[in-house]
Amino acid sequence: ETVLTQSPATLSVSPGERATLSCRASQSVSSNLAWYQQKPGQAPRLLIYDASTRATGIPARFSGSGSGTEFTLTISSLQSEDFAVYYCHQYNKWPPWTFGQGTKVEIK
Amino acid sequence: QVQLQESGPGLVRPSGTLSLTCAVSGDSISSHNWWSWVRQPPGKGLEWIGEISQSGNTNYNPSLKSRVTISVDDSKNQFSLKLTSVAATDTAVYYCARRDPAFPFENWGQGTPVTVSS
Repeated sequence: ETVLTQSPATLSVSPGERATLSCRASQSVSSNLAWYQQKPGQAPRLLIYDASTRATGIPARFSGSGSGTEFTLTISSLQSEDFAVYYCHQYNKWPPWTFGQGTKVEIK
Repeated sequence: QVQLQESGPGLVRPSGTLSLTCAVSGDSISSHNWWSWVRQPPGKGLEWIGEISQSGNTNYNPSLKSRVTISVDDSKNQFSLKLTSVAATDTAVYYCARRDPAFPFENWGQGTPVTVSS
């Protein structure tokens, strides 16, 4: 099983500031890494796939980078609607498909 | 626009069977996609349960494989989850999701909460 470890668990950021979230895989997942945003009471929403490609309708302030075992999600200038929990997900090797434990981005 | 909607009992007795259905609209269940179930215990992260293809091929999480069955009903354009011998640790919000081959989960249902309790 490919274990994904996200850091930090919680990130406190002021609106307008930059947020950088990390995801480390226990083995290479190539570029088969996605990022999701989840708000309370809602389903996850796909933000980034193939490590760096924004999904349809996702604002340009969201960007992803990395390959192999180290990945980063950057939110360039946090808006009020961006405070949420973010999960990384690998779809390179199954079973099983796996998710990170999440990073909560909260208002500082 | 693809839409998925979960349905099923919100309360299941311990040792019983959890049964959920996901109704699909805006896409054919017979299309070249994978149809999955993912769950999220209260306050915790996401756990992939398993998936089924249009041809009926299934993949299951090894940690749940002995208790899980996913099936498709082409006539109703829906797919289903059965989880047997449930315990309190199976209490979670259950989501159905769709993905293209070699692609992550793009479309999700709104989720349905299931509590395992006597």
